[in-house]
Amino acid sequence: QAQLVQSGAEVKEPGASVKLSCKASGFIFSGYYMHWVRQAPRQGLEWMGIINPSGSWTSYAQKFQGRATVTRDTSTSTVYMELNSLRYEDTAVYYCVRDQSIGDYAWWLDPWGQGTLVTVSS
Amino acid sequence: SSELTQDPAVSVALGQTVRITCQGDSLRNYFATWFQQKPGQAPVLVIYAKNNRPSGIPDRFSGSNSGNTHSLTITGAQAEDEADYYCYSRGISGNRWVFGGGTKVTVL
Repeated sequence: QAQLVQSGAEVKEPGASVKLSCKASGFIFSGYYMHWVRQAPRQGLEWMGIINPSGSWTSYAQKFQGRATVTRDTSTSTVYMELNSLRYEDTAVYYCVRDQSIGDYAWWLDPWGQGTLVTVSS
Repeated sequence: SSELTQDPAVSVALGQTVRITCQGDSLRNYFATWFQQKPGQAPVLVIYAKNNRPSGIPDRFSGSNSGNTHSLTITGAQAEDEADYYCYSRGISGNRWVFGGGTKVTVL
């Protein structure tokens, strides 16, 4: 079945960058859009960005524009998310998720990766 | 604040019915998707494309909509339904997607 396996936990200092990976299996990776979603401690889910199947197009939430970069490598079925200029408030669990949709009116996310905890600490 | 508005918390007696709502302008054009999240776990898809349930989701979960308000209903709530529930849809401003703030469901 479809599965997403993410890279391990990271600890970074403020101002640093982090690059997370997410390896897909069990489905045709090159046929799907992929998203990144994060969740700060005791907070809700926050959509970060999306990449199209070929990797030629991305879109980001306004607050991450210019600071987050989503890329993908079809040869290894892996999607990446790099976040720069880390701040304490970037401490969160980051999830990669597969996009599914019907027409131009319904989108859903399934499956989810297991999540990667990024801790920003000095 | 989120483009999708949810009540922060609701409670329901065991075996009774609870409705969780999600309100937003984009929902006039797009369906809401619903996720369940239990502490320490990744979210789980429960309803998509108005009222479709993935395999393994009990039929006590259902979705509906009216105007800019979409709802998730749990009919005959069970103890294991106690969780946070999030709605999700496309944003009003184009190629961005958004989550609601989440609703904590307590089963009494």
